[in-house]
Amino acid sequence: AQKVTQAQTEISVVEKEDVTLDCVYETRDTTYYLFWYKQPPSGELVFLIRRNSFDEQNEISGRYSWNFQKSTSSFNFTITASQVVDSAVYFCALSGETGANSKLTFGKGITLSVRP
Amino acid sequence: KAGVTQTPRYLIKTRGQQVTLSCSPISGHRSVSWYQQTPGQGLQFLFEYFSETQRNKGNFPGRFSGRQFSNSRSEMNVSTLELGDSALYLCASSLDSNNYNSPLHFGNGTRLTVT
Repeated sequence: AQKVTQAQTEISVVEKEDVTLDCVYETRDTTYYLFWYKQPPSGELVFLIRRNSFDEQNEISGRYSWNFQKSTSSFNFTITASQVVDSAVYFCALSGETGANSKLTFGKGITLSVRP
Repeated sequence: KAGVTQTPRYLIKTRGQQVTLSCSPISGHRSVSWYQQTPGQGLQFLFEYFSETQRNKGNFPGRFSGRQFSNSRSEMNVSTLELGDSALYLCASSLDSNNYNSPLHFGNGTRLTVT
């Protein structure tokens, strides 16, 4: 069975602070995919990033960066110089390649509040 | 390009009734998935349809069903509603059913309240 754990439930920071959202996953698949989604108050889940299990390169996109470490089964997300607009619920998700595991398994989400 | 459209945005039903939710995927997307989101259980997978066929199903009772039409639009039906069915129902579409090639794009959801 697949599992995603987001141990942090709520994080509050002041604008311009850096913040890291943790994600730990469990899977028996050798090929799998990891995702981060953002859910603003409007409710729509916004796709942020996808990583493949065979690609451990870290990725940076503007103020966002992702650290994927297979050795610790973690896929952490860092927001640099946070802004009020970053306030949202962030979900980490995992999917396998085929069959029943190809569906997305989500973590419980982390509510990020960025105060001005 | 229009995003995933879900209708209605809000629904209030009473126990025992049935409800149908609708989802129009992004143009060209052939896979549609449904998720239930509640404060207690988080986001849980309901089912996925691809080319009018159910490809994957979550652990929900038979009261939850769905279908997909030839134009890729999808409907989800819940019969004999229970209080615990109150949730945000999210629809997502992708080009195909392989998550590697095309990530899921979600709609704004339908907020169902059962009284």
